[in-house]
Amino acid sequence: NAGVIQTPRHKVTGKGQEATLWCEPISGHSAVFWYRQTIVQGLEFLTYFRNQAPIDDSGMPKERFSAQMPNQSHSTLKIQSTQPQDSAVYLCASSLDWGWYTLYFGAGTRLSVL
Amino acid sequence: TQTVSQSDAHVTVFEGDSVELRCNYSYGGSIYLSWYIQHHGHGLQFLLKYYSGNPVVQGVNGFEAEFSKSDSSFHLRKASVHWSDSAVYFCAVIDGSSGNKLIFGIGTLLSVKP
Repeated sequence: NAGVIQTPRHKVTGKGQEATLWCEPISGHSAVFWYRQTIVQGLEFLTYFRNQAPIDDSGMPKERFSAQMPNQSHSTLKIQSTQPQDSAVYLCASSLDWGWYTLYFGAGTRLSVL
Repeated sequence: TQTVSQSDAHVTVFEGDSVELRCNYSYGGSIYLSWYIQHHGHGLQFLLKYYSGNPVVQGVNGFEAEFSKSDSSFHLRKASVHWSDSAVYFCAVIDGSSGNKLIFGIGTLLSVKP
């Protein structure tokens, strides 16, 4: 069990460029979550999927952020026209069950927008 | 919306000391509380959780937490800390009223001095 895998670990983009972050959940886990972590805001919920279906995207900035889960083995978070304020660590997590679930986190992708 | 608050941003203790990290929650019906740990440069790791039954729950590496309905608290404790316990600790609650997502507190940095 390799755990939740996030790639790349570090990504540097110029202002206005697009960034795509990848997440491979633990095999057999039914739910995938995305969080953003900054010093100022802490851990912010972005969105989550259950059995590949989007359930709640209430934390996603509406205009430039999108997330997909095309199959059970990976999810992507895409940020269009990146801005300096998008600089953060983006964390992906998966859970086996539902209800009183436990999250298993990846190591995160550090996005730096110059 | 259910939330958690962690009143201590930074706690410093010496190796071998006991420690208590505080977490208070806002009441919102069914309660699911958990603690996660994040070592520098890594993702979060699950420590323990409570949703019913014995209010004292045991976690990994000697950590335990006690749920108190009267105090609206779920404090984390360890009897004797090791330098490797230095990390950021997050209290979290499932917000059942808003999509069942896991909401994290701001975190408490625990520094263990040799």
